[in-house]
Amino acid sequence: AQTVTQSQPEMSVQEAETVTLSCTYDTSESDYYLFWYKQPPSRQMILVIRQEAYKQQNATENRFSVNFQKAAKSFSLKISDSQLGDAAMYFCAYRSSYSGNTPLVFGKGTRLSVIA
Amino acid sequence: GAGVSQTPSNKVTEKGKYVELRCDPISGHTALYWYRQSLGQGPEFLIYFQGTGAADDSGLPNDRFFAVRPEGSVSTLKIQRTERGDSAVYLCASSLTSANTEAFFGQGTRLTVV
Repeated sequence: AQTVTQSQPEMSVQEAETVTLSCTYDTSESDYYLFWYKQPPSRQMILVIRQEAYKQQNATENRFSVNFQKAAKSFSLKISDSQLGDAAMYFCAYRSSYSGNTPLVFGKGTRLSVIA
Repeated sequence: GAGVSQTPSNKVTEKGKYVELRCDPISGHTALYWYRQSLGQGPEFLIYFQGTGAADDSGLPNDRFFAVRPEGSVSTLKIQRTERGDSAVYLCASSLTSANTEAFFGQGTRLTVV
């Protein structure tokens, strides 16, 4: 079974600075998808960024980018120019691509605080 | 609707009671998932529907938990003889059929068993 590990329960960053959230995963599959979700106090999970394992190029969405290291099974999220609205729980998630719509496997999350 | 809708937003019930949690997915989404998020944890998979049928119910913790989706849209998660350990946020998500499309989440139902 696949597992996702987030080793940083809490992180903080100064407004306008850059922060990196870590994620590692374990799988025997070669093709899969990786995600970062944001969960604000409203509880709704919001997709931040997605990476297909077959793509070597790291995904980027505005201020959010990832460092995907397939051999190391590492998938970190970098948030640039941090804003107060970025404060939330961040979850790394894995999805197999082998059998259609498989469920997401989540890590335990990292609580990000943004200091004004 | 515009997004995934879950009702109620919060539910407090007494130990031993029966509860139903409702999920209304995005129109046209055939895949529907239920997850359970305990305090301080990430969401854990419970059950996945493709259309009306449960394609994977391997995450249901025991036979007190059951879910239906009779018409392929709205789904109901049913918990019998609730226990204090069932207290959690229950999240629902829906997506189109292909694996690489985004799963959209509702705001969850916070269930508290007292």
